[in-house]
Amino acid sequence: KAGVTQTPRYLIKTRGQQVTLSCSPISGHRSVSWYQQTPGQGLQFLFEYFSETQRNKGNFPGRFSGRQFSNSRSEMNVSTLELGDSALYLCASSLWEASTDTQYFGPGTRLTVL
Amino acid sequence: GESVGLHLPTLSVQEGDNSIINCAYSNSASDYFIWYKQESGKGPQFIIDIRSNMDKRQGQRVTVLLNKTVKHLSLQIAATQPGDSAVYFCAEKGGSQGNLIFGKGTKLSVKP
Repeated sequence: KAGVTQTPRYLIKTRGQQVTLSCSPISGHRSVSWYQQTPGQGLQFLFEYFSETQRNKGNFPGRFSGRQFSNSRSEMNVSTLELGDSALYLCASSLWEASTDTQYFGPGTRLTVL
Repeated sequence: GESVGLHLPTLSVQEGDNSIINCAYSNSASDYFIWYKQESGKGPQFIIDIRSNMDKRQGQRVTVLLNKTVKHLSLQIAATQPGDSAVYFCAEKGGSQGNLIFGKGTKLSVKP
């Protein structure tokens, strides 16, 4: 069974731009969670989607948003990029809601903001 | 607590020795704990998990110990191999919140 896939793997943007990252969960998984990883803050939770609904949200500004489609694929969007948004963005999927099931991570999208 | 990035705590072991990686978790209400391994350029990889109704769980070459009294989690790796070199994260999850709360990570370096 294929793992979690994320596209693109690497991205370079400039301040003020916006970006959309994509995540395809493991086949059959219905929950997708997004995390941001930086050297300074470590791994931090952004949000979780289950059955196209946001179930849980971390402490990030409204510039960070996401959505989930009927096939469970998810996208996250960051608007008005700031230098501090440079990070590895990780997507994790689970069969059921993240509160009840193990999460499996994708390889991440490395975003660099110049 | 542990620091991250440039100041990530490092555990250096000789190939073939056993490794013990420790983690202090924050929420006494957390009821599910996971260890992840992250190699350079990759996402975290699930290693082993344990629920709060257990104090020990064994996998292949790995054992997780949970001490709820002092909110401490440890990962033991038997016969450590060069391929075990990575950053190891503990994560906790509890209550109605499904998101994982990650520890800062420990870098394991295996010397051949």
